[in-house]
Amino acid sequence: DSGVTQTPKHLITATGQRVTLRCSPRSGDLSVYWYQQSLDQGLQFLIQYYNGEERAKGNILERFSAQQFPDLHSELNLSSLELGDSALYFCASSVGVGGYTYEQYFGPGTRLTVT
Amino acid sequence: GEDVEQSLFLSVREGDSSVINCTYTDSSSTYLYWYKQEPGAGLQLLTYIFSNMDMKQDQRLTVLLNKKDKHLSLRIADTQTGDSAIYFCAETAVETGGSYIPTFGRGTSLIVHP
Repeated sequence: DSGVTQTPKHLITATGQRVTLRCSPRSGDLSVYWYQQSLDQGLQFLIQYYNGEERAKGNILERFSAQQFPDLHSELNLSSLELGDSALYFCASSVGVGGYTYEQYFGPGTRLTVT
Repeated sequence: GEDVEQSLFLSVREGDSSVINCTYTDSSSTYLYWYKQEPGAGLQLLTYIFSNMDMKQDQRLTVLLNKKDKHLSLRIADTQTGDSAIYFCAETAVETGGSYIPTFGRGTSLIVHP
């Protein structure tokens, strides 16, 4: 158990809908990362937050957004869902952003199926 | 951009050594990692190596880094059926703002036969 929790574990929804994925980082970790894992794209970095502020951005679509709250949990919002958004979405956390804080701890993931 | 390549599958017999290989393209890579993903689970950090090191050993795991060839390998000694999983190679360089964002390979599925 990494200490990172994600809810829900599974989510099935229809095209055009909007969903919210939730992540609670390990106790004491200030940095949260979101990744998308799919068969065709592999594991892709989406976005990082550090202590409530966006820190780095990867291949995140404009239909997707995220935020980190004062209690450090994070939410990833996916809107206008398309079939191609079906994937595993992972959250990871780390103590900080650089130096010795490079180790990321991954949650179990949320499997999103868009029908 | 950065790219990390791994072979997709490796099959070994229980008790043998497994060697999983990875190549990367970013010469500014600072940290290189090996993660393990078991079915239905997230990625678990197995080990890492700094780019100024050639080798790191951690119990049954040995990581070798050839920086000149941008080649990273993970050797698992005395491979057990419980080692069956997908192994991801990843590299990071310091991004703008000081963040370390890893670039992952596609993963190597290790299958261990009894």
